[in-house]
Amino acid sequence: EVQLVESGGGLVQPGGSLRLSCAASGFTFSSYWIHWVRQAPGKGLVWVSRINSDGSATNYADSVKGRFTISRDNAKNTLYLQMNSLRAEDTAVYYCASERPPQRYFDYWGQGTLVTVSS
Amino acid sequence: DIQMTQSPSSLSASVGDRVTITCRASQSISNYLNWYQQKPGKAPKLLIYAASSLQSGVPSRFSGSGSGTDFTLTISSLQPEDFATYYCQQSYSTPRTFGQGTKLEIK
Repeated sequence: EVQLVESGGGLVQPGGSLRLSCAASGFTFSSYWIHWVRQAPGKGLVWVSRINSDGSATNYADSVKGRFTISRDNAKNTLYLQMNSLRAEDTAVYYCASERPPQRYFDYWGQGTLVTVSS
Repeated sequence: DIQMTQSPSSLSASVGDRVTITCRASQSISNYLNWYQQKPGKAPKLLIYAASSLQSGVPSRFSGSGSGTDFTLTISSLQPEDFATYYCQQSYSTPRTFGQGTKLEIK
């Protein structure tokens, strides 16, 4: 069974840091690009970041560029999102989602992890 | 970045109705358009990819069409489990932008 399981969310003060993890199982993790998508409470889906299969290429939304870093460990089948200088507007459920090139769609999603930035 | 605009933002319909949701891209994206369904408290689920291809396991009452800048998602006969929020997403380029969503509610 394919699974993506996020962890690491929680309450953090503005300016603080948090590292999210996304553990994958049931598929060949190293063949997939992985994305982070977030959803603020009551709002829509917003793409955050992407990493390619071997971790050599990354992209970020302008809103998180310079503050967030995406990485992966294919030996551990795990994706990470290091989030620094957090702001109230980063409060959201964060989902990881997989995309297998050359396909161009997100076929598997995790259940999400909630990040709350508040004093 | 490519902007995706869905309409309507919300829609009330009854079981058995035929409903159509539209999505417009700010520039041509060929057929790189996907549709997702999201229910409250759950992760999104892929319904349609490449504008018109039905994801495995998705009921055939769902269909997609369009190319270039204009796309539609059609549900031919609404079922109770279809009441949810639907998002389009372009996969022509990164960032993989989403539409703002269409909330489908029971009339």
